[in-house]
Amino acid sequence: EIVLTQSPATLSLSPGERATLSCRASQTVSRSLAWYQQKPGQAPRLLIYDASNRATGIPARFSGSGSGTDFTLTISRLEPEDFAVYYCQQRTNWPLTFGGGTKVEIK
Amino acid sequence: QVPLVESGGGVVQPGRSLRLSCVASGASGFIFSASGMHWVRQAPGKDLEWVAFIWSDGSSEYYADSVKGRFTISRDNSKNTVHLQMNSLRAEDTALYYCARDKGVSYLDHWGQGTLVTVSS
Repeated sequence: EIVLTQSPATLSLSPGERATLSCRASQTVSRSLAWYQQKPGQAPRLLIYDASNRATGIPARFSGSGSGTDFTLTISRLEPEDFAVYYCQQRTNWPLTFGGGTKVEIK
Repeated sequence: QVPLVESGGGVVQPGRSLRLSCVASGASGFIFSASGMHWVRQAPGKDLEWVAFIWSDGSSEYYADSVKGRFTISRDNSKNTVHLQMNSLRAEDTALYYCARDKGVSYLDHWGQGTLVTVSS
């Protein structure tokens, strides 16, 4: 199974700052990677798919990049509603796997 | 939005069975019979774990190794429903179980709010 490692585990930032989250795959996933946002008590929400495509309704401040084994989710300017946990997910091989998450918290 | 509503969770003893259901609304032009469906779980305070997937027509299924041979995913397109039959439950199966729609290429674009399964004696 493909293991996804996210870093850092926690990111402490202030509103308005830029957030850069990393996801590394144990083997190449090409560009078959998604990012999800999960807020406390809520289900995950798809943000980015195929490494860099924003899902429907996702603001432009969210962007994804990368290919192969190294991927980045960038939030250009953090809004108060962006403080949450972010997960990456690969779809190259079964079983689908998620990363361990990065919590973006208010500094 | 695609409302997905899970049900069937509860407290069950180790070794027993439970059947989860997820009903999809036909709102917003969502054609259930054209969508693959997933189950994903999240243990309390833990990360997401993909559990199972079924093709839109029910012709094929995939499972996480941790549940293979114990869980079975199925669907009834006439009722816009997907099920997860869980047998031989273990304490480590305790989690919030979400159903989610497949976007078409194994990304999950709509999620329910989950149903809680607690395996405890």
